[in-house]
Amino acid sequence: AQKVTQAQTEISVVEKEDVTLDCVYETRDTTYYLFWYKQPPSGELVFLIRRNSFDEQNEISGRYSWNFQKSTSSFNFTITASQVVDSAVYFCALHKGETSGSRLTFGEGTQLTVNP
Amino acid sequence: AAGVIQSPRHLIKEKRETATLKCYPIPRHDTVYWYQQGPGQDPQFLISFYEKMQSDKGSIPDRFSAQQFSDYHSELNMSSLELGDSALYFCASSSYPDRGSGELFFGEGSRLTVL
Repeated sequence: AQKVTQAQTEISVVEKEDVTLDCVYETRDTTYYLFWYKQPPSGELVFLIRRNSFDEQNEISGRYSWNFQKSTSSFNFTITASQVVDSAVYFCALHKGETSGSRLTFGEGTQLTVNP
Repeated sequence: AAGVIQSPRHLIKEKRETATLKCYPIPRHDTVYWYQQGPGQDPQFLISFYEKMQSDKGSIPDRFSAQQFSDYHSELNMSSLELGDSALYFCASSSYPDRGSGELFFGEGSRLTVL
């Protein structure tokens, strides 16, 4: 069975602070994919990143960066110099990597509030 | 670029009524997924279809049914609605080679309110 845990239910920071959202996953599959989605108050799910289990390189995209460590089954997400527009619920998710349209399993989400 | 289209965006029903949600995947996508997200909850997988056949099934109640049609659009039918069915329902689509990687493109969701 797959499981994704986001231990931080809510995080509140002041604008321009850096913030890291934690994600720990469990899977027995050797091939899998990890994702981060952003859900702003308007409700849509916005894709941020996809990483496969064979690629442990960290990735940076503007103010966003991701740290994937298979040894600790973690895929953490850091926002540098946070902005008010970053306020949203962030979901980490895991996919088995099969070709049959199998499910994407979400964590419980972290509510990030960035205060001016 | 065309995205996943869901309709209606908002729906209000009474208890015990029936509701149907529609999903139009991105053109040339052959796989459709349905998710239910209750207030303050993470999205829960309901069911998915690949090439019009059910490919995976999650926590979908027996009162719900879904199918994918020849044009690849999908419909989620919900009967005997209960208050607890009030949620945001997401549809997502994907296609090979993305299907194996699970890159799901989500629609904006259909918000169902049961009174």
